[in-house]
Amino acid sequence: DAGITQSPRHKVTETGTPVTLRCHQTENHRYMYWYRQDPGHGLRLIHYSYGVKDTDKGEVSDGYSVSRSKTEDFLLTLESATSSQTSVYFCAISSGAGFQNPYEQYFGPGTRLTVT
Amino acid sequence: AQTVTQSQPEMSVQEAETVTLSCTYDTSENNYYLFWYKQPPSRQMILVIRQEAYKQQNATENRFSVNFQKAAKSFSLKISDSQLGDTAMYFCAFMSPSGGYQKVTFGTGTKLQVIP
Repeated sequence: DAGITQSPRHKVTETGTPVTLRCHQTENHRYMYWYRQDPGHGLRLIHYSYGVKDTDKGEVSDGYSVSRSKTEDFLLTLESATSSQTSVYFCAISSGAGFQNPYEQYFGPGTRLTVT
Repeated sequence: AQTVTQSQPEMSVQEAETVTLSCTYDTSENNYYLFWYKQPPSRQMILVIRQEAYKQQNATENRFSVNFQKAAKSFSLKISDSQLGDTAMYFCAFMSPSGGYQKVTFGTGTKLQVIP
């Protein structure tokens, strides 16, 4: 299994509070992703990173920001949490061209976030 | 933008029988990759099988095989000799490496129930 951890695994927070989710990898993979999973929507990309300090928006980026100061860590921040951000959040990694299985994504265990 | 459609929200199959999950996609790209992911009740996303668009031969992994029809933009998953452990959500996913960004688009999923 790819070495990907997410913290926290569960969190309950109140509307309007800031929240930061952490993804940590030990695989030295170049690409990292944040998805949210909601019933009826599958997985939707929030933000992704193609290198240290290189990030870009996905399809549902409003209300979220990310940072990647080290290869191994990718942080997702909800500046002011809203109830619509209640979801399960997944981090994923992929290695990129030139590696074995370059385009396969490996997922972390997920974080269940509830905003009350 | 690419789209991935899974038209079967839920399916069931008797243990030891064969089941096929459908997936269609829309893209103007010629070079791309397709994946099936499994998500059991544990919530962990597990890669089941992948197909490179430039390969005509359908991918197989033990009891899992795909029927890749490039012209029809169809990518179905066949599970043979279904087992109780196959009960899960199955997601079809599309990735084009153009631009170097490796963004993946997921379908909305098919919930498969294997009946004893």
